[in-house]
Amino acid sequence: GAVVSQHPSWVICKSGTSVKIECRSLDFQATTMFWYRQFPKQSLMLMATSNEGSKATYEQGVEKDKFLINHASLTLSTLTVTSAHPEDSSFYICSVRGGFFGPGTRLTVL
Amino acid sequence: DAKTTQPTSMDCAEGRAANLPCNHSTISGNEYVYWYRQIHSQGPQYIIHGLKNNETNEMASLIITEDRKSSTLILPHATLRDTAVYYCIVRVAGRDDKIIFGKGTRLHILP
Repeated sequence: GAVVSQHPSWVICKSGTSVKIECRSLDFQATTMFWYRQFPKQSLMLMATSNEGSKATYEQGVEKDKFLINHASLTLSTLTVTSAHPEDSSFYICSVRGGFFGPGTRLTVL
Repeated sequence: DAKTTQPTSMDCAEGRAANLPCNHSTISGNEYVYWYRQIHSQGPQYIIHGLKNNETNEMASLIITEDRKSSTLILPHATLRDTAVYYCIVRVAGRDDKIIFGKGTRLHILP
């Protein structure tokens, strides 16, 4: 299976700042990666599909201008939460090949 | 992907077998049954998958009914570390499709 890493594992930021989360596929060239978010005691919710070399595809209700996705290489996708607010505090998880997941990034916005 | 139905939560005594059911009555012929679990504050972990035959690996066994409308994940000797949310998902294997998660089953292993 694919090995996926995320960085950072946790981050705390002030309201109004932007935060970048990295997702790396360590042993697999991923043309597609997926981003999820998870609120406490809830299931994972798919946010967007990241496509290498092209625009991401966002799920309904996810603001593309707020959650910027860049998939510039076959091993790296980044999710930038712009102008973060406390309601963006969540657990963000990426996956590759539709079935191998990163360890997640805990974002806390103060 | 077809929809699945799982109990919200289950308890199991440590050392006993944990049997987690899943209904997937609308599964298509080319869809596999996949099981993942998520331990608190971690990413989901793949457990096992199968098409129609029963499957076993070092983590678990998967029993799929003959009509493929339901399945059971079996953890043969549950330990406290098996406490997690378990997700049953049906999807076409090998495709780069997104995975849509249901609510899963919250399994509590009791000491």
